[in-house]
Amino acid sequence: DAGVIQSPRHEVTEMGQEVTLRCKPISGHDYLFWYRQTMMRGLELLIYFNNNVPIDDSGMPEDRFSAKMPNASFSTLKIQPSEPRDSAVYFCATSGGAVDTQYFGPGTRLTVL
Amino acid sequence: QKEVEQDPGPLSVPEGAIVSLNCTYSNSAFQYFMWYRQYSRKGPELLMYTYSSGNKEDGRFTAQVDKSSKYISLFIRDSQPSDSATYLCAMRDSSYKLIFGSGTRLLVRP
Repeated sequence: DAGVIQSPRHEVTEMGQEVTLRCKPISGHDYLFWYRQTMMRGLELLIYFNNNVPIDDSGMPEDRFSAKMPNASFSTLKIQPSEPRDSAVYFCATSGGAVDTQYFGPGTRLTVL
Repeated sequence: QKEVEQDPGPLSVPEGAIVSLNCTYSNSAFQYFMWYRQYSRKGPELLMYTYSSGNKEDGRFTAQVDKSSKYISLFIRDSQPSDSATYLCAMRDSSYKLIFGSGTRLLVRP
């Protein structure tokens, strides 16, 4: 299995631009989690899905952030418009069966100038 | 005050030493406890998972949970340079939302 796949691995953009991060979960996993990691705030859960349905989005910082999971094989996290304080590493993680075994992707390192 | 507190380190030890990593928490509803290891520029990977109080051993790793003190530990025996990484504790209540500690950087010197 290829594991959780995230793209792009690195993204550099200018303030105000739209950013779309992508995640392909491990086949058969029915939970998908989006996290953000910064030096100041550590690893924070933004939103998670179960069977493609958003369950808890209380960690989404503001309306500029949105996430979708149109099918079991794909999810996106969108930031529009982006701001410098959004610079962070964004991780997608998925799990299935034993829910606590979350498998993390390699992350997308986002820099907003 | 954060729900989960973890000393950020860095913690530097010689190869072969016993390493002790710790987290404290404030939410008495937490009942599932995990330790993740994160290498530089990689995603976290699950090391240990324990439910409620008690000990769990896996090779050179031992996880301990003391719910009465709201304190969890990870011990690494015979530490190796390849153990050099950031170790994150994580925990949750009956929901699926994991709360992570800030991570402790560990350096094992050859």
